[in-house]
Amino acid sequence: QKEVEQDPGPLSVPEGAIVSLNCTYSNSAFQYFMWYRQYSRKGPELLMYTYSSGNKEDGRFTAQVDKSSKYISLFIRDSQPSDSATYLCAIRRPSNTGKLIFGQGTTLQVKP
Amino acid sequence: KAGVTQTPRYLIKTRGQQVTLSCSPISGHRSVSWYQQTPGQGLQFLFEYFSETQRNKGNFPGRFSGRQFSNSRSEMNVSTLELGDSALYLCASSHGQGPYEQYFGPGTRLTVT
Repeated sequence: QKEVEQDPGPLSVPEGAIVSLNCTYSNSAFQYFMWYRQYSRKGPELLMYTYSSGNKEDGRFTAQVDKSSKYISLFIRDSQPSDSATYLCAIRRPSNTGKLIFGQGTTLQVKP
Repeated sequence: KAGVTQTPRYLIKTRGQQVTLSCSPISGHRSVSWYQQTPGQGLQFLFEYFSETQRNKGNFPGRFSGRQFSNSRSEMNVSTLELGDSALYLCASSHGQGPYEQYFGPGTRLTVT
């Protein structure tokens, strides 16, 4: 069983839609959660970083963590064509500094 | 503030050769982590260096090695290249303590023929 599972998509939505991206993880030892965005042929860009259950908001992006269910989500409001990219969730144990475990990534296309 | 830089951006090598990739972290960051990204396996952790010491290691063969210099710049070496080593190699830098956000460079795309 993979330590983190992410639906690879692809996911296609119209401009202005609310997008929901999700990951599940297997071990409660993971305490830190991140979302990255990766455009084609670029390095991943950090969008959100959180370590507690609940919601964290940054502009059009909201990260949600439910540790009891081992479930993390990223919501994108008012999606734009420029949001078209691959979105990667990443998790980390407190003891494994520097070692991120990544989901497979979800490819998102926002159509004008 | 300048971001993470990686050189070279593209490399073509033949099987059996070795290759060295370089990563310069964000100024003030002391930790550098290396990852391999392939379509089949996704992003996989190779190793992390902090203050010139390897602090974490992933499940890669010994052909993959790295080092970090006193200015926090890091190099990664792959010896006896195999076709399966073709990938995007990414490095990420962070402070290494406290808030632990990792910031990635653009990557080096290695093609082994």
